[in-house]
Amino acid sequence: RKEVEQDPGPFNVPEGATVAFNCTYSNSASQSFFWYRQDCRKEPKLLMSVYSSGNEDGRFTAQLNRASQYISLLIRDSKLSDSATYLCAVKMINTGNQFYFGTGTSLTVIP
Amino acid sequence: DGGITQSPKYLFRKEGQNVTLSCEQNLNHDAMYWYRQDPGQGLRLIYYSQIVNDFQKGDIAEGYSVSREKKESFPLTVTSAQKNPTAFYLCASSAYRAEQYFGPGTRLTVT
Repeated sequence: RKEVEQDPGPFNVPEGATVAFNCTYSNSASQSFFWYRQDCRKEPKLLMSVYSSGNEDGRFTAQLNRASQYISLLIRDSKLSDSATYLCAVKMINTGNQFYFGTGTSLTVIP
Repeated sequence: DGGITQSPKYLFRKEGQNVTLSCEQNLNHDAMYWYRQDPGQGLRLIYYSQIVNDFQKGDIAEGYSVSREKKESFPLTVTSAQKNPTAFYLCASSAYRAEQYFGPGTRLTVT
């Protein structure tokens, strides 16, 4: 079983739509959680960390559900520039600070 | 201007040759990582290092070697023993209990 699993999509949504991605993790000892954005042929860039109480950054909202072992990312009022692949990541201190990444969810925002 | 640099951006080699990919960071991060990404695939961990002169194998270490003689530097050698070396190689670093940042990557093509 993979440490982190994501629906690969693709998600094709119209501009202005709200879209949500989920990511499940298997190890309850997981310590820290993140969302990254990766544009085509570029490196992943940190979008936001995910805190236990949930957190928001502009149009982006991240949430953590430890009981069900998943994290989510909500994008409101989608823009064309949001088109990218979104990767979730989990960091586990008990495995030497290793990060485990999902395979990514592809989002295309359509005019 | 802090960050992670990788060089070169593109690298072409003949089969049977060893090649070394450079990764340097000036973020004063203790931990550094090497990943491989194949088209349409997620990130796979090759090696990681939490402190100078110490490193651990990731999920796909066979055919690769690393060194960590300085905190700032974590070069990766792709040896001729690596069966399918053509890929996008990403170096990353992180502070303890913190998020991971990526370099711009090196695209290696072996023919």
